[in-house]
Amino acid sequence: ETGVTQSPTHLIKTRGQQVTLRCSSQSGHNTVSWYQQALGQGPQFIFQYYREEENGRGNFPPRFSGLQFPNYSSELNVNALELDDSALYLCASSAPPGTGSNEQFFGPGTRLTVL
Amino acid sequence: QQQVKQSPQSLIVQKGGISIINCAYENTAFDYFPWYQQFPGKGPALLIAIRPDVSEKKEGRFTISFNKSAKQFSLHIMDSQPGDSATYFCAATIQGGSEKLVFGKGTKLTVNP
Repeated sequence: ETGVTQSPTHLIKTRGQQVTLRCSSQSGHNTVSWYQQALGQGPQFIFQYYREEENGRGNFPPRFSGLQFPNYSSELNVNALELDDSALYLCASSAPPGTGSNEQFFGPGTRLTVL
Repeated sequence: QQQVKQSPQSLIVQKGGISIINCAYENTAFDYFPWYQQFPGKGPALLIAIRPDVSEKKEGRFTISFNKSAKQFSLHIMDSQPGDSATYFCAATIQGGSEKLVFGKGTKLTVNP
């Protein structure tokens, strides 16, 4: 069974730039959620993708957007980067919502630094 | 608004001791409460979870105690080991929708040998 993988591991960008982070879900999982974890904080829900559509969104501005592909992999795009966007971005995959299987399996994350 | 409050922020225990981490929630619609363990450089991993129809769940050295009326739940780690040194997060979610996890701020546990 293949776990959740994310790329890249680390990324350094400057303010105003755009970034794309990638996630491959665990085998058999068709639901992907993205979280932002600031240093010393718990992860915060950004959004979830199911069947290639956004299925729930947290309190993040529209410059945070995403995609899910037919193979269930996903991208997180952040435009107009701000210093406060520096964080660990976590991807989690899970069985479809409402199936009673609640466990979300997290990847190792992408550490984004905005200078 | 912080929906899940976690304490303490950090905890140091001796090997063999009991580690206790507490969480309180505000949203009574939450119906699934997992605990995650995170090691440096890794993503969180599910440790143990509970639903509000039970007051306690035990898996090995890890126990969740749940008090629905007080809207509180806690993680007890018995016979704590140096390998348990990690950051622990409580979380809560509402099943059936996006099932987004609402996390506490985390507790950094250090178990001294």
